[in-house]
Amino acid sequence: SQQGEEDPQALSIQEGENATMNCSYKTSINNLQWYRQNSGRGLVHLILIRSNEREKHSGRLRVTLDTSKKSSSLLITASRAADTASYFCATDRRDTGRRALTFGSGTRLQVQP
Amino acid sequence: DARVTQTPRHKVTEMGQEVTMRCQPILGHNTVFWYRQTMMQGLELLAYFRNRAPLDDSGMPKDRFSAEMPDATLATLKIQPSEPRDSAVYFCASGLGGRETQYFGPGTRLLVL
Repeated sequence: SQQGEEDPQALSIQEGENATMNCSYKTSINNLQWYRQNSGRGLVHLILIRSNEREKHSGRLRVTLDTSKKSSSLLITASRAADTASYFCATDRRDTGRRALTFGSGTRLQVQP
Repeated sequence: DARVTQTPRHKVTEMGQEVTMRCQPILGHNTVFWYRQTMMQGLELLAYFRNRAPLDDSGMPKDRFSAEMPDATLATLKIQPSEPRDSAVYFCASGLGGRETQYFGPGTRLLVL
């Protein structure tokens, strides 16, 4: 399996509900980031959480990081139709000399109005 | 409002033709990335540069792909000769370091017939 795998692959909820997406990774990291991609557009950075942080908030977004379990979650509260997009986690791996992010395959979120 | 720009936005070409994609990173960013996104493979890192020097192009088919940064305001990705399997969306992103936040352009949607 790949570094930075999101779960579930697809999620459909009603407007106003909370959406939770998970990301698992295999190697030690310095930071983990979440990005959003609207259909036909480039990725947009949402939030970065460093390995020494456990939780971070930004507006309706809440990200947690558990380095012991090598996992992260992205919670979107009070979802809106405009939140419909694909969400990707990205990690920087310490096990390679590559100084670049590795992106997961994404979670497709559909928010029904 | 600083943005990464990419040209062209869409390109349709015939197999065997040369394709050149251009990217203007955000002014002041010292790291530039090229990604390819397909339904089957997801988001793949092709190459990245720091201070215009190529740091990693291991994700790029060397026989037909080439990436350069003629100056700090322009990055190019060339495919010669192009093949149908190169059909994808190609994204450029820039940032301040390979492990930090990346800012994506709108992408070039390439179709090779």
